[in-house]
Amino acid sequence: AQKITQTQPGMFVQEKEAVTLDCTYDTSDQSYGLFWYKQPSSGEMIFLIYQGSYDEQNATEGRYSLNFQKARKSANLVISASQLGDSAMYFCAMRRDGDSSYKLIFGSGTRLLVRP
Amino acid sequence: DVKVTQSSRYLVKRTGEKVFLECVQDMDHENMFWYRQDPGLGLRLIYFSYDVKMKEKGDIPEGYSVSREKKERFSLILESASTNQTSMYLCASTLRSSYNEQFFGPGTRLTVL
Repeated sequence: AQKITQTQPGMFVQEKEAVTLDCTYDTSDQSYGLFWYKQPSSGEMIFLIYQGSYDEQNATEGRYSLNFQKARKSANLVISASQLGDSAMYFCAMRRDGDSSYKLIFGSGTRLLVRP
Repeated sequence: DVKVTQSSRYLVKRTGEKVFLECVQDMDHENMFWYRQDPGLGLRLIYFSYDVKMKEKGDIPEGYSVSREKKERFSLILESASTNQTSMYLCASTLRSSYNEQFFGPGTRLTVL
């Protein structure tokens, strides 16, 4: 069975510093996708970044990058130059390629608080 | 701009009531999902649908049912609400493609008294 583990329930970071949010996953599949979502206090889920299991380069989207280490089954999110608006819950998720449901398996989330 | 809407942001119901949560997407997505979110547990899949009138159970379907009569609309039904169904409910939709993300609605915070 697939599983996503986020071991950091909460984290603090100083404004303008970089922060890494950990995500490890468990799967026997060879082909899969990894996603990160942000959930501000307003509740909506905002897609941040995607990494395919066969992508050789780490995904980047603006200040977000995904540190993908396939052998270690980790997909950590790196946020550079943190801003106050980055304070939110962050969820890591995985989807099996070839699964016709296209459903996501989510981790328990990490709450990030950016200090001014 | 792509959009997933949910009928209510906040809802308060009494134990035993029948509750309908509506979700509408305007992106012509085939697949739609209902999740519930609880602190420390992340998002858990209740039901999903990959076509009109088609539905599949997710990981925690007990106490819920769904309906998809039109492609754009996916409803979650609590036949007889109970206090342990107090939660945040999130609807999502996606295209059938490996790298496409799911788009989420704003969520409905349901309290069952």
